[in-house]
Amino acid sequence: TQLLEQSPQFLSIQEGENLTVYCNSSSVFSSLQWYRQEPGEGPVLLVTVVTGGEVKKLKRLTFQFGDARKDSSLHITAAQPGDTGLYLCAAPLNRDDKIIFGKGTRLHILP
Amino acid sequence: DADVTQTPRNRITKTGKRIMLECSQTKGHDRMYWYRQDPGLGLRLIYYSFDVKDINKGEISDGYSVSRQAQAKFSLSLESAIPNQTALYFCATSKIDGYNEQFFGPGTRLTVL
Repeated sequence: TQLLEQSPQFLSIQEGENLTVYCNSSSVFSSLQWYRQEPGEGPVLLVTVVTGGEVKKLKRLTFQFGDARKDSSLHITAAQPGDTGLYLCAAPLNRDDKIIFGKGTRLHILP
Repeated sequence: DADVTQTPRNRITKTGKRIMLECSQTKGHDRMYWYRQDPGLGLRLIYYSFDVKDINKGEISDGYSVSRQAQAKFSLSLESAIPNQTALYFCATSKIDGYNEQFFGPGTRLTVL
């Protein structure tokens, strides 16, 4: 059973378009993390959301934690080729416990 | 910069060989992890250690062993490598802060022939 479901699995869009990717679960989490991984490198933490309904912005990236703390979304405005990569969501099974990862959304931005 | 390093970065070996992957960190974090990444299967936890005297099995520990030699060093061994252990292996660290945000090394690409 995959506790964190990410959708879509793959997304290819033109530079300048907007997009949203999702991370869903039936479980409640104390916090949720988003990472970006580029080819040949390890994942890099982008953001951690903690409070239900919380919205965090990182330049053109907007992260939202669902009110019930079961899901999250990542919205990218005016996508750039540099946004290309694998986006992973992750969460601790229990507070301060080991992390589980979703399988990721592979994003490709076409110039 | 405080960092997580892994050696080797690439390794090709044969079935039945013993392999050790090493991880060192200068972040001062107590917690260390080993993951493998396979296409379509995502990141899966092999072993983790919350301090020098603590070792825990993860989701897929069969065929692997680990050693936590010091706060900064955590090594992963494949006692007798098999082809389905061909994968990308990542070491990660985290602080004790309630969030367990993961800081990853650059990875080791292991091929078992």
